[in-house]
Amino acid sequence: QQQVKQSPQSLIVQKGGISIINCAYENTAFDYFPWYQQFPGKGPALLIAIRPDVSEKKEGRFTISFNKSAKQFSLHIMDSQPGDSATYFCAASKSDSWGKLQFGAGTQVVVTP
Amino acid sequence: DGGITQSPKYLFRKEGQNVTLSCEQNLNHDAMYWYRQDPGQGLRLIYYSQIVNDFQKGDIAEGYSVSREKKESFPLTVTSAQKNPTAFYLCASSIESWENYGYTFGSGTRLTVV
Repeated sequence: QQQVKQSPQSLIVQKGGISIINCAYENTAFDYFPWYQQFPGKGPALLIAIRPDVSEKKEGRFTISFNKSAKQFSLHIMDSQPGDSATYFCAASKSDSWGKLQFGAGTQVVVTP
Repeated sequence: DGGITQSPKYLFRKEGQNVTLSCEQNLNHDAMYWYRQDPGQGLRLIYYSQIVNDFQKGDIAEGYSVSREKKESFPLTVTSAQKNPTAFYLCASSIESWENYGYTFGSGTRLTVV
């Protein structure tokens, strides 16, 4: 069973709009939450990551919001651009499970001109 | 340029055959991983290795085998015992402080059973 649940499966947003992707987890031992971006035919690349001691982290147009009590975290893409069209994966892991990331199912984002 | 090289990019296998997917890295990373990607299911861990000559099963190891004879190389064999091998296979590597740098992924091998 999937340890990290991701939604929506896909979304379409207009250029300049905000893309929001949500993830939820059950294992309270998870303490590292990265997001990966994947373009067709390529491997995923690390986009941004957060630890549960902060509620928000921003890097450029990408922001992670983290709600520890709800066991949820989300990715916001501000001012979405056509070049942001890709599949986004959330993931989670425990510090004592060195390197073993549990991935969500992925969200395909399409940004229309 | 440092990175991970996966080959071949596309691979076709007949029923009952074993095939080996190559993964080479020149990043001097200690850890290497194999993931399988299927539509709508995200990435699932097959095997991982933290040091040479040692590896552990991931969540879906049945029907697969690996070796880690060199730090740079982590080949994956898809055996005939794997019931549904058609998928996109991704190799990744990381340094010990992977949480700050994440994984570096290769570009993947798409395996199709014909």
